[in-house]
Amino acid sequence: GEQVEQRPPHLSVREGDSAVIICTYTDPNSYYFFWYKQEPGAGLQLLMKVFSSTEINEGQGFTVLLNKKDKQLSLNLTAAHPGDSAVYFCAVTEMNTGGLSGKLTFGEGTQVTVIS
Amino acid sequence: GPKVLQIPSHQIIDMGQMVTLNCDPVSNHLYFYWYKQILGQQMEFLVNFYNGKVMEKSKLFKDQFSVERPDGSYFTLKIQPTALEDSAVYFCASSLWGQNTEVFFGKGTRLTVV
Repeated sequence: GEQVEQRPPHLSVREGDSAVIICTYTDPNSYYFFWYKQEPGAGLQLLMKVFSSTEINEGQGFTVLLNKKDKQLSLNLTAAHPGDSAVYFCAVTEMNTGGLSGKLTFGEGTQVTVIS
Repeated sequence: GPKVLQIPSHQIIDMGQMVTLNCDPVSNHLYFYWYKQILGQQMEFLVNFYNGKVMEKSKLFKDQFSVERPDGSYFTLKIQPTALEDSAVYFCASSLWGQNTEVFFGKGTRLTVV
């Protein structure tokens, strides 16, 4: 089955600097890709979803890049600020023609700490 | 935004006893999920549930596990009997459809089996 490896497990970044988290997946049938943010004591907050036809997506304070050739999904935090301190998870799911599965395969998570 | 509520946030139970984890999904959602996260490890899919039935389950969803949503009330995960290795954070999630829609997660219930 699908396996997702996420690196690094921990990341310290100075306020104003950028940081990159990379996920590598194995299943070439993977079609939908997600980045979630989890703050202490909170549930998962969806940052962005990326589909197969999309390569680069920009959000507020971050950029997501999908490289299907290398089976990599990356999250680039630009100009980090203290509110970005959290655990970030990537997640991957297949295109299911039956439309019945919302099953996500998660990466191991990256603990991001923004230092003022 | 829409919220998935999980009650309680932490539960401690003696090994061998039964436990029920409760989830109040987003009101108009049709698909429901449970994920398990052992401390320091990644979140892993357990089961999804639609129209009163389990649609898909992983190998982590042991025979001691069961899910139901009687009469549109709480979506529950029952473990009977519990084992030490069941200690983890269990996340409930829901979505409007089965794919291509946002999955909303609860804050999780930390289950400690002693």
